[in-house]
Amino acid sequence: KQEVTQIPAALSVPEGENLVLNCSFTDSAIYNLQWFRQDPGKGLTSLLLIQSSQREQTSGRLNASLDKSSGRSTLYIAASQPGDSATYLCAVMEYGNKLVFGAGTILRVKS
Amino acid sequence: DAMVIQNPRYQVTQFGKPVTLSCSQTLNHNVMYWYQQKSSQAPKLLFHYYDKDFNNEADTPDNFQSRRPNTSFCFLDIRSPGLGDAAMYLCATSRRDYSTDTQYFGPGTRLTVL
Repeated sequence: KQEVTQIPAALSVPEGENLVLNCSFTDSAIYNLQWFRQDPGKGLTSLLLIQSSQREQTSGRLNASLDKSSGRSTLYIAASQPGDSATYLCAVMEYGNKLVFGAGTILRVKS
Repeated sequence: DAMVIQNPRYQVTQFGKPVTLSCSQTLNHNVMYWYQQKSSQAPKLLFHYYDKDFNNEADTPDNFQSRRPNTSFCFLDIRSPGLGDAAMYLCATSRRDYSTDTQYFGPGTRLTVL
């Protein structure tokens, strides 16, 4: 059974810092990996999707990498801003169009 | 704007009183999903529809049912809510039943059971 783990569970950084969020998964038979953002009391917004054949994806200040063989992904946020404060969720897509999520990393960027 | 809409955003029900949550989409996507997210936990897939074909996750409680009367709408029925069913319920859609497709999420309905 696929398990997705995110470390750290919570992170607090000063504005302007570069930071890395980590995600690991136990079964490498995945189709893709997605990073989502969730604001308090809100739904999920897709940030980046990496297909299983890809190594990384970039969008603005965000860069996500995928190492399928070792079961790891990282989300790199450059020059963090207070508006980046949210919960970041990692999810892997399995056969049957099923997303399996991690519990998330709560990020707080202090101004 | 094309989107996934969930109503109501907040729902309060009493222990054992049936409740229905609604999801609609203007994306004309074939696939619709329901996820349950308890406080500080990962979202968990309950079931999904590809068109009208219903797919139930093995560990989804019998207390939960779903209906999809047409492409645009999907409902989540909780027959006899217990305190453990209090959670955020997220609806999502994707264009096709391909595992390479992005899922688009609605804002969620927060269910409180008294």
